[in-house]
Parts: sequence; C-alpha cells; structure tokens
Amino acid sequence: DTEVTQTPKHLVMGMTNKKSLKCEQHMGHRAMYWYKQKAKKPPELMFVYSYEKLSINESVPSRFSPECPNSSLLNLHLHALQPEDSALYLCASSPLGIGKRGIQYFGAGTRLSVL
Amino acid sequence: KQEVTQIPAALSVPEGENLVLNCSFTDSAIYNLQWFRQDPGKGLTSLLLIQSSQREQTSGRLNASLDKSSGRSTLYIAASQPGDSATYLCAVRQSGTSYGKLTFGQGTILTVHP
Repeated sequence: DTEVTQTPKHLVMGMTNKKSLKCEQHMGHRAMYWYKQKAKKPPELMFVYSYEKLSINESVPSRFSPECPNSSLLNLHLHALQPEDSALYLCASSPLGIGKRGIQYFGAGTRLSVL
Repeated sequence: KQEVTQIPAALSVPEGENLVLNCSFTDSAIYNLQWFRQDPGKGLTSLLLIQSSQREQTSGRLNASLDKSSGRSTLYIAASQPGDSATYLCAVRQSGTSYGKLTFGQGTILTVHP
C-alpha cells in the first residue's frame, strides 16, 4: 500500500471560518509534509514533520497551523484565511532511517477555495 | 539558494516518439533527485528517484540520468503514448537529511497526440 489519503477533496470556506485538512498514511513513514500548489506552479513546501515533531517551517503565516497527533496522521488547521490562500494543498510522506531512499509519496490533494 | 530549471516548458509529440525532458540545478550538493508526474488537478506520482551516488535509474519505458557535477538530469521516455500526457516535474533534495526540502522545477507539460 503506497497510498496517502487526503480529506476533504474540495473545501470552500469564508475568511472567518475555521477548518482542517486531514492526511493519513499507513506505510510506516515517519516524515510527513504539507505543500501548497498554485495553478500552473510547482508545489511549495510549507511544513515537514519527522518523528511527529515539526522539523521545518518555511515561514508560513500563523493562520496555517499544522499538527501531527501520531505517526499516521497529519492535520493542517486553517483560520482567517485570505482569498490568495486558495490553492491545491498536497500532503506527502517518506520513510526515514539508515538506508531509506527518501522517496516522497503524495496524496491527491485538497482543492481549497477561500471566498 | 537552489534553483531548478526544466526545459522545455511544453512539448507536443506524435505517439511513438522517443523524447527527452531536461532538468538543471544550480547547487550540486544534493542528496537525491526525484522525477514526478502530475495529471491536471491531481497529486504527484513518483516516477524515479536517483541518489546522488547513482548515474541512472530505469523503470519500464522511463530512464532517468544524473550528472551531479554538471547539475543536470534527463528523463528519457521511450515510445511515447497518449497516456503519457501530463506535467513532469523534477525535484532535488539538498544534502544533510533524507527528509529535507524538495526544490521543484516549473515542470514540462507533455502532450502526446495519437
């Protein structure tokens, strides 16, 4: 099973709403990532968790709040977003450890629209 | 700062042609390089990963090469098919950690017409 599952597939929210994106994998991967992708652009890294600890934060605004409650689950909590935050949000995971090649597996993404 | 460039930006070929996609990067201190495929509105599918110590990787009709010293990688697709139509992205991971940041190129949009 090489599947990374993201829910929901689509999300429409107002600027005052609070919502969460969810990502799940059962491959035993101990690194998990959030990326943001605007139309016709490559993905941009937002956060990296390794062994359930935040390892990289690419200076993302605080209205995006990541959470890794266990080794299989990664959440992205959204609050007071702006219309320019509308994008495809991608989750990925990769194995860690000596000899691991670090291949990243991506989910299908959540298409977010902020009104 | 690592910069990744992909050439061409778009490519349209008839079915059956062999083709080459190019990727170049400015900082040769990389951990690995990964090629992905992305269909419109979808996530990324990993095609091939080349470690910094490797020269090439093959999977079916795909062959990826890496010349780390010159900062270049190519993805060769043999006998292209309409189902190969997608955006192809290369991404490099800097040395240091196996979970480090991936820096992506802008992608090559491939169209294979029957």
